Amino acid sequence: GEDVEQSLFLSVREGDSSVINCTYTDSSSTYLYWYKQEPGAGLQLLTYIFSNMDMKQDQRLTVLLNKKDKHLSLRIADTQTGDSAIYFCAESVNYGQNFVFGPGTRLSVLP
Amino acid sequence: GAVVSQHPSRVICKSGTSVKIECRSLDFQATTMFWYRQFPKQSLMLMATSNEGSKATYEQGVEKDKFLINHASLTLSTLTVTSAHPEDSSFYICSARGRDNEQFFGPGTRLTVL
Repeated sequence: GEDVEQSLFLSVREGDSSVINCTYTDSSSTYLYWYKQEPGAGLQLLTYIFSNMDMKQDQRLTVLLNKKDKHLSLRIADTQTGDSAIYFCAESVNYGQNFVFGPGTRLSVLP
Repeated sequence: GAVVSQHPSRVICKSGTSVKIECRSLDFQATTMFWYRQFPKQSLMLMATSNEGSKATYEQGVEKDKFLINHASLTLSTLTVTSAHPEDSSFYICSARGRDNEQFFGPGTRLTVL
């Protein structure tokens, strides 16, 4: 079946860039997402990328997609303490439907 | 963005009791809501899809008699864990589908069964 993998932990210093990586197995994935989960809060959609794109930038966030290698990354520039959270990678064939989530990467931002 | 709430946020219960978790879309109507289960260090696993006014669709391996879902209105879906056991302890997250098919997630409910 489909599978989405992420490393579980990442620590960076405040002001540095963070890069969170994700790999997936479903070649029919059309949409790839990054969600942020803060303690006590629901998952918040940060951004998504359509599979015919290889990059999407939104302010401090840059998403890179290597469709050949089925590799997705999220780069957060100038990481702040408020960026500390769990980041989930997810994929689906149709937008907003039948998500397959990764296990989440816990980002810790050190002062 | 749209807001989805869950109640309670945490619940501790004795083995054999039933627990009801509510999921509400606060500022939009959701004909479809989803229930997920999240184990520590693992991804969210879809348990069931709840459609207003009809029976829920359960994913393979999820016991429908164990996890009762009721989607009585366009803003409320409930998940009842019946005769809970320690292995049911988990983090349960709901989401509601708004316009444009985007899913908005609730904050989750942590269930601990003693």
